[in-house]
Amino acid sequence: SYELTQPPSVSVSPGQTARITCSGDALPKQYAYWYQQKPGQAPVLVMYKDSERPSGIPERFSGSSSGTTVTLTISGVQAEDEADYYCQSADSSGTYVVFGGGTKLTVL
Amino acid sequence: QVQLQESGPGLVKPSETLSLTCAVSGYSISSGYYWGWIRQPPGKGLEWIGSIYHSGSTYYNPSLKSRVTISVDTSKNQFSLKLSSVTAADTAVYYCARIRRDYVWGTTMEYYFDYWGQGTLVTVSS
Repeated sequence: SYELTQPPSVSVSPGQTARITCSGDALPKQYAYWYQQKPGQAPVLVMYKDSERPSGIPERFSGSSSGTTVTLTISGVQAEDEADYYCQSADSSGTYVVFGGGTKLTVL
Repeated sequence: QVQLQESGPGLVKPSETLSLTCAVSGYSISSGYYWGWIRQPPGKGLEWIGSIYHSGSTYYNPSLKSRVTISVDTSKNQFSLKLSSVTAADTAVYYCARIRRDYVWGTTMEYYFDYWGQGTLVTVSS
């Protein structure tokens, strides 16, 4: 079955840049999406179609894609950005949805 | 503003069928979009369960397909999930969501969840 691979954790100090990667064989063919999830809350879409930011998401969030890896970058990290981040995409046929295992972002 | 609200029993016995409903407000299911279910076991990651179009066309996670049925009731503007033969491994927070699913070119898709319900915890235990 198709899988997306994320690092389990990323830690940064406030004001620094956090980069969270997601790897998958079908990513050159399918867009990636990113969700932020805070404890006890539903996930929130923070990036779509690799690098498009939904309205209401701060400009410090950006996305990029290169080959089989996509990256969510948070510039000037703030304490409120501490959360779990999940990438999501589809298999190469576009039939099935798959989520990455999630990355816990810790703001030191 | 699109809103989704899950409802159903919070406790299900092993081997029985889990049944949840998602009520949609602020948007008519008949107008388009796909609708779907995602779950999250306690302390673990997200797992897609399946998606349905207002016409009834469905896509299921292959790992759950034999036990899952998703249906839609456009007259009530809601859709439902049934998961049969549950075990403790099915204990999770279950989310419903609106899905953007469109072909961009070839088999390249836009396929993502733009609105989510708040989630409901279902525990499988005797």
